[in-house]
Amino acid sequence: GQNIDQPTEMTATEGAIVQINCTYQTSGFNGLFWYQQHAGEAPTFLSYNVLDGLEEKGRFSSFLSRSKGYSYLLLKELQMKDSASYLCAVRDSNYQLIWGAGTKLIIKP
Amino acid sequence: ETGVTQTPRHLVMGMTNKKSLKCEQHLGHNAMYWYKQSAKKPLELMFVYNFKEQTENNSVPSRFSPECPNSSHLFLHLHTLQPEDSALYLCASSQGQGGGAETQYFGPGTRLLVL
Repeated sequence: GQNIDQPTEMTATEGAIVQINCTYQTSGFNGLFWYQQHAGEAPTFLSYNVLDGLEEKGRFSSFLSRSKGYSYLLLKELQMKDSASYLCAVRDSNYQLIWGAGTKLIIKP
Repeated sequence: ETGVTQTPRHLVMGMTNKKSLKCEQHLGHNAMYWYKQSAKKPLELMFVYNFKEQTENNSVPSRFSPECPNSSHLFLHLHTLQPEDSALYLCASSQGQGGGAETQYFGPGTRLLVL
């Protein structure tokens, strides 16, 4: 079966750095997405990786290793507004999106 | 950002009721999706429409009935639901269906409670 694993919950301190990991086993690979979802709101697109390496976008970076079936989302200079759930999703060989259950990130002052 | 809107935002219904969820996208996209989101579970894809034609039905019970009258509007008709159907129902749209970098844009969801 297809599977996306990410930690259920993480806690970090305002101003710090946090890394949210995502491992996947899917039938084929056509890209990996990260979304942010604040409580009661729509998931919003953060990043897309299809080649190995690091993609940087402001305070957020996303890394992909296809050979390891592994990605991480790195958040720097954490702000209270970064408290949200972070969803990892992989596009498989049928171009279907397979979703993880999300990681709830709690930021403490 | 109001690219994808959903109404109602909250809905409480009994198991014998009939209700409909509405989704509208203002992005000029051709594909629309219904997802179910339950606590601590991955998003479950329910239905996909591309150019108004249903292209995916992921073994969804018949008590959920989608309707897509045009590329901008999507409905989910609900009848004789069960308490386990209580969840957040998310609508999404994308320019096309499933190209590698194709990004889906989500609405805020309808929080459904079935009593």
